[in-house]
Amino acid sequence: QQQVKQSPQSLIVQKGGIPIINCAYENTAFDYFPWYQQFPGKGPALLIAIRPDVSEKKEGRFTISFNKSAKQFSLHIMDSQPGDSATYFCAASMGGSNYQLIWGAGTKLIIKP
Amino acid sequence: DVKVTQSSRYLVKRTGEKVFLECVQDMDHENMFWYRQDPGLGLRLIYFSYDVKMKEKGDIPEGYSVSREKKERFSLILESASTNQTSMYLCASSLGGRGGNSPLHFGNGTRLTVT
Repeated sequence: QQQVKQSPQSLIVQKGGIPIINCAYENTAFDYFPWYQQFPGKGPALLIAIRPDVSEKKEGRFTISFNKSAKQFSLHIMDSQPGDSATYFCAASMGGSNYQLIWGAGTKLIIKP
Repeated sequence: DVKVTQSSRYLVKRTGEKVFLECVQDMDHENMFWYRQDPGLGLRLIYFSYDVKMKEKGDIPEGYSVSREKKERFSLILESASTNQTSMYLCASSLGGRGGNSPLHFGNGTRLTVT
């Protein structure tokens, strides 16, 4: 119930392609869904976040799609660049509290030049 | 820009040693966190603190303790290090009290090896 399942574990995409990372959850009480980006040797940093009252959110080349009925959300990266190579984590929380962040296992993304 | 500084990038300790991991943040954040990151397991919360001298257990507190004597500093203590505590340890901070979804700001991690 408390898990967030993230897939794939790793992903290799050519430059300019659109990598898609998927996350699924069970607990319908989750009401905040952030994505964090982690470069090698660095800590994760917030990339983009969505709440279940919207189906899509865009920030630059990054888009979150949210499907409330399917209890799934995904990250799309448009026109991907080698600099987007990183590990991406989805997460979910409820009750407006970031103490309760439940993390996906992470996706290692490599963008080939 | 928020800065979260972890005192060591790499640490090698022996089984049974007492280990201190230090974390300092410079943005007057109320909340501080210690996470452990292992491949395929994501980030797992060890302890968090929402105020000075306050602490709460996360998902995997066994074998760890914490100390927060000052607002800007949050220490993770391994009372008697074991090989299964070999991992990357991440400290984070965030603005706000017990509520709110303010972003977590992470340090660059301490890679601890226990031999």
